Amino acid sequence: KAGVTQTPRYLIKTRGQQVTLSCSPISGHRSVSWYQQTPGQGLQFLFEYFSETQRNKGNFPGRFSGRQFSNSRSEMNVSTLELGDSALYLCASSLGGAGTEAFFGQGTRLTVV
Amino acid sequence: GENVEQHPSTLSVQEGDSAVIKCTYSDSASNYFPWYKQELGKRPQLIIDIRSNVGEKKDQRIAVTLNKTAKHFSLHITETQPEDSAVYFCAAKSGGGADGLTFGKGTHLIIQP
Repeated sequence: KAGVTQTPRYLIKTRGQQVTLSCSPISGHRSVSWYQQTPGQGLQFLFEYFSETQRNKGNFPGRFSGRQFSNSRSEMNVSTLELGDSALYLCASSLGGAGTEAFFGQGTRLTVV
Repeated sequence: GENVEQHPSTLSVQEGDSAVIKCTYSDSASNYFPWYKQELGKRPQLIIDIRSNVGEKKDQRIAVTLNKTAKHFSLHITETQPEDSAVYFCAAKSGGGADGLTFGKGTHLIIQP
């Protein structure tokens, strides 16, 4: 069974640009969550999608958005990039029920210059 | 929202000794507590988890204990080996499955040969 796949692995963008990251969950998993990982703030929850609907959202500005497709693949978009958006963005897939295990992808390393 | 505190931030132990990492959480509705291990440059990997209806769970050299009254849970690693060196994160998730994981800041475990 294939694991969680994130693309691209690395990205370099300029301030003010926008970026789209992709996550393909484990087959059969309907929930995809996104996290931002930085040395200073650690792992922070961005949002979760389940069956194409956003179920919950963390404390991030509206520049961060996402969506989920009917095949459970998810995309995350960040508009008007700021230097502080430089981070490792991780997605995690799970079956989606209460207390179900979440498995992470390898992440997309975003650098904003 | 949920807040998870994790201690210590760095833990150095001799190979073969035991290591204990402790976490506290604030939301009494949280009912799922996973632990992740992240090696340098790699994705967080789920190593063990516990649900609120269980007080202790063990998997070979790894065990997790949960005290719901005190709202704290701990990771215990016995007979530590060099490959146990990594950053360990605890997390908490509240009921219903709709909330994301709230992570502790991580513990850098160093196994001294």
